[in-house]
Amino acid sequence: RKEVEQDPGPFNVPEGATVAFNCTYSNSASQSFFWYRQDCRKEPKLLMSVYSSGNEDGRFTAQLNRASQYISLLIRDSKLSDSATYLCVVKAGGTSYGKLTFGQGTILTVHP
Amino acid sequence: EPEVTQTPSHQVTQMGQEVILRCVPISNHLYFYWYRQILGQKVEFLVSFYNNEISEKSEIFDDQFSVERPDGSNFTLKIRSTKLEDSAMYFCASKRTGLYEQYFGPGTRLTVT
Repeated sequence: RKEVEQDPGPFNVPEGATVAFNCTYSNSASQSFFWYRQDCRKEPKLLMSVYSSGNEDGRFTAQLNRASQYISLLIRDSKLSDSATYLCVVKAGGTSYGKLTFGQGTILTVHP
Repeated sequence: EPEVTQTPSHQVTQMGQEVILRCVPISNHLYFYWYRQILGQKVEFLVSFYNNEISEKSEIFDDQFSVERPDGSNFTLKIRSTKLEDSAMYFCASKRTGLYEQYFGPGTRLTVT
């Protein structure tokens, strides 16, 4: 089983749509969770950290279910500029050094 | 807003040559990392560095790789004898003490011919 698994997509949605991405992780000792976005041939950019209580940042909402080892990202009112690859990222517990494990990414294309 | 910077943006080298990739982490960050991403594949962890020593490394980070913080601002990745399969984007990242979020530089595209 992959350490971090995502539906690769692609997701093609019209502007204004709501889209949800899912991710599962295999290591139950994982401690911290993130969504990054990556534009073509660019670096991963931190979108948001994911907390157990769920958190929202504008149009973006992230949820974590530790029991199911499942993370989600919801994007409301999609914009053309949201087109990117969304990376589910997990940090294992046990050390503070912070090795991150990345999923393969989910490709999102928002069209007019 | 402070950023991680990396040089060069693109490096072309011949198989067997040594390369040094350079990074300047965010100034108040003490934890440093290298990751790589082969074209079309996921981002993979190479090594973490704290307090002037390697704290963790992956299986990819073999004897051909080394890291160094030669001064108070630079953090380097050296590949001693490059192979074709070392062709990838190499990303440097850094983080602050007490926080988990890592911030990535723009990457160096390494092409080994």
